[in-house]
Amino acid sequence: EAQVTQNPRYLITVTGKKLTVTCSQNMNHEYMSWYRQDPGLGLRQIYYSMNVEVTDKGDVPEGYKVSRKEKRNFPLILESPSPNQTSLYFCASSLSRLGVGGYTFGSGTRLTVV
Amino acid sequence: AQKVTQAQTEISVVEKEDVTLDCVYETRDTTYYLFWYKQPPSGELVFLIRRNSFDEQNEISGRYSWNFQKSTSSFNFTITASQVVDSAVYFCALTRGGYSSASKIIFGSGTRLSIRP
Repeated sequence: EAQVTQNPRYLITVTGKKLTVTCSQNMNHEYMSWYRQDPGLGLRQIYYSMNVEVTDKGDVPEGYKVSRKEKRNFPLILESPSPNQTSLYFCASSLSRLGVGGYTFGSGTRLTVV
Repeated sequence: AQKVTQAQTEISVVEKEDVTLDCVYETRDTTYYLFWYKQPPSGELVFLIRRNSFDEQNEISGRYSWNFQKSTSSFNFTITASQVVDSAVYFCALTRGGYSSASKIIFGSGTRLSIRP
């Protein structure tokens, strides 16, 4: 089944403890992206990647890192999480950055930083 | 600058009623793409439709239909004979075309649709 898989679905962590949210797609998509969803603010882009080893900042990249060493994986790294990073996170992929066939989203990761 | 406005924050209708979700967008690009996504209570984002700026044909898929009008910069979504399972938050979104354009999806703030039995 074609899908984007995010792990974990839920995570509660403490301030400053490094964490990684994994994202993997099995559709051979070139484009991948991370978003966070917050009440009243909608979805905002954190980082995106046009292909392997090609990443760039979105609208709200502060406090996050990404890497794209393989086409299928695009992990989101929080080196020192803070409470303002408590949010619902989505990973998305698409055949191209223009969303041919639509962007496919993962099921989301609900992160709470205490 | 690009912007997507969904002025209806919440809509509540009785089952079997028709309902239209409004989406107005702003862009200076001549090539762009518009999307609708559904977010049911379970939280995932489900792709519904993608439309490019050169294709103003309306589209119908079962009970869903979309009306794209460049003259009013609108891309409205209508559900005919609504059902309880249609209850969700619906997002309209926009991306820029052109190879050198910044690569991000700009989402509207969403419309929460509740269908009452």
